[in-house]
Amino acid sequence: NAGVTQTPKFRILKIGQSMTLQCTQDMNHNYMYWYRQDPGMGLKLIYYSVGAGITDKGEVPNGYNVSRSTTEDFPLRLELAAPSQTSVYFCASRNPSYEQYFGPGTRLTVT
Amino acid sequence: GEDVEQSLFLSVREGDSSVINCTYTDSSSTYLYWYKQEPGAGLQLLTYIFSNMDMKQDQRLTVLLNKKDKHLSLRIADTQTGDSAIYFCAETNQAGTALIFGKGTTLSVSS
Repeated sequence: NAGVTQTPKFRILKIGQSMTLQCTQDMNHNYMYWYRQDPGMGLKLIYYSVGAGITDKGEVPNGYNVSRSTTEDFPLRLELAAPSQTSVYFCASRNPSYEQYFGPGTRLTVT
Repeated sequence: GEDVEQSLFLSVREGDSSVINCTYTDSSSTYLYWYKQEPGAGLQLLTYIFSNMDMKQDQRLTVLLNKKDKHLSLRIADTQTGDSAIYFCAETNQAGTALIFGKGTTLSVSS
């Protein structure tokens, strides 16, 4: 049982480039989340999903897109990377008892 | 709107008790959580308390909830250097679909 896995661990992008952050969970959780963490700012919710085929915006969705074609996978897409998207990105999933489990994070730098 | 506030830093000596405090705004929150983040890692669920409880104890951890004052605290008994980390308080949002995190309290334990 690997829990929540994320790839890549680190990435450097140039302004305007695109990339997809991968997230997979093997706990059969319906709820999945993407957060970004900036120093001293806590975690901000980008997008979430309550099940396959259903996604919704969080607090800071601009510049990002998501899809949820399966229960296991919840990729986050950055279409035109900007320096303001330099951050650490965490994926999480939640069980029916409201316990959230986090992946190890992806550290992204946009220059 | 929904908000969670925490003090940013706490410094204690090894063997002492640590108390990390948090205030929240949404009185309808069903669950309140404490997460721990070690350097370079994702968030790890430490404990959570259901909103109809006043206290929950789990080994060295004690959570106290004062619903009237919307105040949550985490007490760590016999604090060890391995407890040094950032501790996040979180509440469920009004829709029950996501968590709202505080900015985190950095706990520093000196020997």
